[in-house]
Amino acid sequence: GAVVSQHPSRVICKSGTSVKIECRSLDFQATTMFWYRQFPKKSLMLMATSNEGSKATYEQGVEKDKFLINHASLTLSTLTVTSAHPEDSSFYICSARAGDEKLFFGSGTQLSVL
Amino acid sequence: EDKVVQSPLSLVVHEGDTVTLNCSYEVTNFRSLLWYKQEKKAPTFLFMLTSSGIEKKSGRLSSILDKKELSSILNITATQTGDSAIYLCAVEALYGQNFVFGPGTRLSVLP
Repeated sequence: GAVVSQHPSRVICKSGTSVKIECRSLDFQATTMFWYRQFPKKSLMLMATSNEGSKATYEQGVEKDKFLINHASLTLSTLTVTSAHPEDSSFYICSARAGDEKLFFGSGTQLSVL
Repeated sequence: EDKVVQSPLSLVVHEGDTVTLNCSYEVTNFRSLLWYKQEKKAPTFLFMLTSSGIEKKSGRLSSILDKKELSSILNITATQTGDSAIYLCAVEALYGQNFVFGPGTRLSVLP
């Protein structure tokens, strides 16, 4: 089946630094990728929709200058948490939509900001 | 290699029917199994299961984990058209790969 690779799986950083998370579709082309943040009780919140070659569409309440999304190719989208603060500590997951409309999820990134 | 398998991949039923969705897994250092309902935006969290044999229930939905069989089922009774969605099973691991999602079961409930 289709595979979505997400890296890193865990990252610890100091407050004020920026962190980049990569999401790659390994064996299919994904014109659309999604970024989610997981909250307590395991609920997932959609942060933004990333389309290859165009600007990401952010959900209401998500700061686009804070969470920079780049979808440079049909197999790669990146989420950069800029000037990270402790409140940004969370679990971030990406998913990629295949041609048959199925969604495939990455394994997630646990971000801890000290 | 960690993996999660769901069956069936697709299911069409009529309103009022009862459905059972299956999820089986092979994951190192199992922590929990989660069920989500995927409609439009983000998957909606349904259940998190950590202990074997304890049924979790929410309205017409219920789920149970069998750690011996490395599987879980999600039951939906008296289905409604609003239950039409993709149901995702995900397993959370303690170390290494954090989450492994299954391919999902696409449920269509016809009026």
